[in-house]
Amino acid sequence: KAGVTQTPRYLIKTRGQQVTLSCSPISGHRSVSWYQQTPGQGLQFLFEYFSETQRNKGNFPGRFSGRQFSNSRSEMNVSTLELGDSALYLCASSLQGFEQFFGPGTRLTVL
Amino acid sequence: AQSVTQPDIHITVSEGASLELRCNYSYGATPYLFWYVQSPGQGLQLLLKYFSGDTLVQGIKGFEAEFKRSQSSFNLRKPSVHWSDAAEYFCAVGATGGGNKLTFGTGTQLKVEL
Repeated sequence: KAGVTQTPRYLIKTRGQQVTLSCSPISGHRSVSWYQQTPGQGLQFLFEYFSETQRNKGNFPGRFSGRQFSNSRSEMNVSTLELGDSALYLCASSLQGFEQFFGPGTRLTVL
Repeated sequence: AQSVTQPDIHITVSEGASLELRCNYSYGATPYLFWYVQSPGQGLQLLLKYFSGDTLVQGIKGFEAEFKRSQSSFNLRKPSVHWSDAAEYFCAVGATGGGNKLTFGTGTQLKVEL
């Protein structure tokens, strides 16, 4: 089975722009979660989608949003980028429970 | 709210030596506990998990962890470290109710000396 895939792997944007990141979960997995990883804040939970519905949300501003499609693929969007949004964004999929399988991440750099 | 503490930011061990990485959690009920490993530029790989039952759990790559409720700990161990084990290790806790959300510790960077 193919693992979790994330595209693009690397992204460079400038302040004020918006960005969309994509995640394809493992086949059959209906839960997709997103995490932000930075050297200062570590790994922080952004949100989780299950069957196209946001089921859980972390403590991030409204500039961070996401969605999930009927095929379980998920996208997250960050609007009005700030320098502090530079991070590794990790997507994880889950079949059941909390056992999550992570993708390689998208490295976002905001200039 | 749940939390995880990994008190050691960096640990250096010699190849072939034993390893123990510490993890303490805070959660009111029985937690779901995980250890993940991350190599530079990569995502997280699940090493092992504890949901219930036997408090000593075996994982991949020769790792094991022991759940101790009385100490709120879930320490990761390996009897003999290999140079390829050098990476960053994260302990995480999952809380019941409201879907999947993992709370991670700050990580322990493991360096292996040859």
